[in-house]
Amino acid sequence: NAGVTQTPKFQVLKTGQSMTLQCAQDMNHEYMSWYRQDPGMGLRLIHYSVGAGITDQGEVPNGYNVSRSTTEDFPLRLLSAAPSQTSVYFCASRIFSTGELFFGEGSRLTVL
Amino acid sequence: GENVEQHPSTLSVQEGDSAVIKCTYSDSASNYFPWYKQELGKRPQLIIDIRSNVGEKKDQRIAVTLNKTAKHFSLHITETQPEDSAVYFCAASPRRGSSNTGKLIFGQGTTLQVKP
Repeated sequence: NAGVTQTPKFQVLKTGQSMTLQCAQDMNHEYMSWYRQDPGMGLRLIHYSVGAGITDQGEVPNGYNVSRSTTEDFPLRLLSAAPSQTSVYFCASRIFSTGELFFGEGSRLTVL
Repeated sequence: GENVEQHPSTLSVQEGDSAVIKCTYSDSASNYFPWYKQELGKRPQLIIDIRSNVGEKKDQRIAVTLNKTAKHFSLHITETQPEDSAVYFCAASPRRGSSNTGKLIFGQGTTLQVKP
């Protein structure tokens, strides 16, 4: 099992550009989520999904879109990147009814 | 909305001493409280968790206590070692009515430094 796989690991964007962070898991987890990590702010939930076709907003959803067409994939889209979106992004998944949240390795995004 | 507050933001202890990190949560219906450890440049990983029907759980040098009435829970690390140095996050799993949402809301993190 590869677990949770995120791509790319690093990305530099210019303000106004769009991009998609990819996330895939091979553990058949119903629940998937995206977090951003900023110094002193902890891990803040952007969007989450409890199954294919179902998504919901987290704590900081503005500027981001998600979709969940399959159980395995949960891409995060930035439609018009802003410098405030410079951060490390983590995708994570879990079996809905149990505990452990499994994280990907993270994607470091810089918006100039 | 749901909120998790974590203190302190930094903690420095001498090797062999104990470390305690505290968290409070806002949603009284939250029923799952994990702790994650993140080493520098790595992903967060679960170290211990507790559910709302249990008051305390221990795993070797690590323990977690939960006070549902006061809506706070704590991580206790005894006999600290330099390899315990990392950022620690608490989290809570809020509910929507009587249903689990599945989501985890994290605290702001505590940077623990264990000095040899």
